[in-house]
Amino acid sequence: QKEVEQNSGPLSVPEGAIASLNCTYSDRVSQSFFWYRQYSGKSPELIMSIYSNGDKEDGRFTAQLNKASQYVSLLIRDSQPSDSATYLCAVNMNSGGYQKVTFGTGTKLQVIP
Amino acid sequence: DAGVIQSPRHEVTEMGQEVTLRCKLISGHNSLFWYRQTMMRGLELLIYFNNNVPIDDSGMPEDRFSAKMPNASFSTLKIQPSEPRDSAVYFCASSRDGNSYEQYFGPGTRLTVT
Repeated sequence: QKEVEQNSGPLSVPEGAIASLNCTYSDRVSQSFFWYRQYSGKSPELIMSIYSNGDKEDGRFTAQLNKASQYVSLLIRDSQPSDSATYLCAVNMNSGGYQKVTFGTGTKLQVIP
Repeated sequence: DAGVIQSPRHEVTEMGQEVTLRCKLISGHNSLFWYRQTMMRGLELLIYFNNNVPIDDSGMPEDRFSAKMPNASFSTLKIQPSEPRDSAVYFCASSRDGNSYEQYFGPGTRLTVT
């Protein structure tokens, strides 16, 4: 089982719809969770961090965390073509005795005008 | 505030040559991370420093790779000798403190080894 799993996509949604991106992780004691957006040919950009169970909203973005189910998601409301990118889930977890942030392989989102 | 600075942005070299990648942290940050990204393997952590000390280098692929942090704001990643399979985008990221905080990435260095 991968430590951080994401569906690679592509996930296609029409402009104005809600895009829902999902991520599961293997370490039950993980405490820090991050979503990064990466445009093609660019570096990952941090867009959301979440540390507690429940929802965290920032503009059109909502991160949802459920530690019992080891599941974190990112909702993008009113999706725009400019949201088309790969979204990376990252989880702080214990690996080989160290705390380190492990990235998923990313979900490619395509917003269709 | 300036973000993470990396140089060079692009590097093309021949197999067997030494390659040095450079990174400058965001002012006030004390943790630095080197990543490699390829289509096949995604984003891989190579090494991370906290307060200039290497904390986890388990991701360094082999002895051809070495990283240093000679001062609190600057790091180098060296590959000697380089091989075609080292071709990738290398990112440097910094954070305020260790691995519990948000990481901010530099623009990356695209390395091509022919």
